Amino acid sequence: AQSVTQLDSQVPVFEEAPVELRCNYSSSVSVYLFWYVQYPNQGLQLLLKYLSGSTLVESINGFEAEFNKSQTSFHLRKPSVHISDTAEYFCAVSDGNQFYFGTGTSLTVIP
Amino acid sequence: NAGVTQTPKFQVLKTGQSMTLQCAQDMNHEYMSWYRQDPGMGLRLIHYSVGAGITDQGEVPNGYNVSRSTTEDFPLRLLSAAPSQTSVYFCASSYNPGGTSTDTQYFGPGTRLTVL
Repeated sequence: AQSVTQLDSQVPVFEEAPVELRCNYSSSVSVYLFWYVQYPNQGLQLLLKYLSGSTLVESINGFEAEFNKSQTSFHLRKPSVHISDTAEYFCAVSDGNQFYFGTGTSLTVIP
Repeated sequence: NAGVTQTPKFQVLKTGQSMTLQCAQDMNHEYMSWYRQDPGMGLRLIHYSVGAGITDQGEVPNGYNVSRSTTEDFPLRLLSAAPSQTSVYFCASSYNPGGTSTDTQYFGPGTRLTVL
């Protein structure tokens, strides 16, 4: 089975500051990587994903993540956060059979 | 499209009671799955299905049953509820079957279950 580690359970950051949410995974096979976002009292929504090709992937709302195979990481970054980015963020890995989720990082943007 | 729908949104059970959480999708997705979300533990896979008539166990299947008689529906049954099953339950679906689960999963709004 695969495993996903999100190193920070809570990340407070001031509005317009940059943020990085860390994600590491362990796998002996090729994997596909995802970041999902969950707003309060809602289900999860896909933020971005890496399947193949360019190791840097971007979302439509300014987030980006870079797949680093040697470090088995898929960290999520945004250069300038907004109040509306306050949410829970989950990193996930698929081995082509099942999805495995991290424990989540709660991002709080402070005005 | 309604996407993935779940009913009920909230439920309170007594220990030992049984119930079924409903999940339906109208996107003709082959792959459907059930997760439970608990504080500090992320989402854990309970059961999943790669198509009608095919189901398999995930990470935490004990105490739960599923069936997949149609492409659209994937109900989750709690056989004899226990307080340890207090959680938020999410249903999800995606285009590709489990053998190629590289596609986006679409999640329902969740069912918040409390077992007393």
